[in-house]
Amino acid sequence: EVQLVESGGGLVQPGGSLRLSCVASGFTFSNFSVSWVRQAPGKGLEWISYITSSSSFISYADSVKGRSTISRDNAKNSLYLQMNSLRVEDTAVYYCARVNIWNGYFFDWWGQGTLVTVSS
Amino acid sequence: QSVLTQPPSASGTPGQRVTISCSGSRSNIGTYTVDWYQQLPGTAPRLLIYTTNQRPSGVPDRFSGSKSGTSASLAISGLQSDDEADFYCAAWDDSLNGWVFGGGTKLTV
Repeated sequence: EVQLVESGGGLVQPGGSLRLSCVASGFTFSNFSVSWVRQAPGKGLEWISYITSSSSFISYADSVKGRSTISRDNAKNSLYLQMNSLRVEDTAVYYCARVNIWNGYFFDWWGQGTLVTVSS
Repeated sequence: QSVLTQPPSASGTPGQRVTISCSGSRSNIGTYTVDWYQQLPGTAPRLLIYTTNQRPSGVPDRFSGSKSGTSASLAISGLQSDDEADFYCAAWDDSLNGWVFGGGTKLTV
């Protein structure tokens, strides 16, 4: 069974940093692109970053560009998101999602999410 | 403000058919396929419709998707009480090199 398990969320002060992790199982992680999608409390979904299977292509939403770095370690079946200069508006549940690129470009599996709270 | 536009709410009675619209532009829906996600209260989103009109295994055929030009629609027939959820449309966007989502539609049955 495909599983994506996020961790690393928590309470951080404005201007602080956090590193989110996502461990994948149940599929060959190195064959898949993956993304981070977030959801602020009571709000909708927002895509924030994408990385291809070999890390050859990376993209970011403007809202996090320059402050966040996505990376992966295929040997550890893991996806990461390093977030710096955090703002109150970065408060959200952060989901990692597997990307299916063979039948379109969509998120076919999602983790349960990890909550990041930015507050003083 | 979301790049894709959805109505904030929709409603129906059990057994009815409802549709949820999703409006975009040439750089997203006008060029790429549309996907729909269902988010039940307190849970992570799950894929409902992919590539505009395909259903993953396990999704009942009461759910269907379509697209015309720069707009897409999700139709739910034979409404059931456990269909109550938030529904989001999404598509790849050329100008952003990433995905755009609709703001979500809260369905009440």
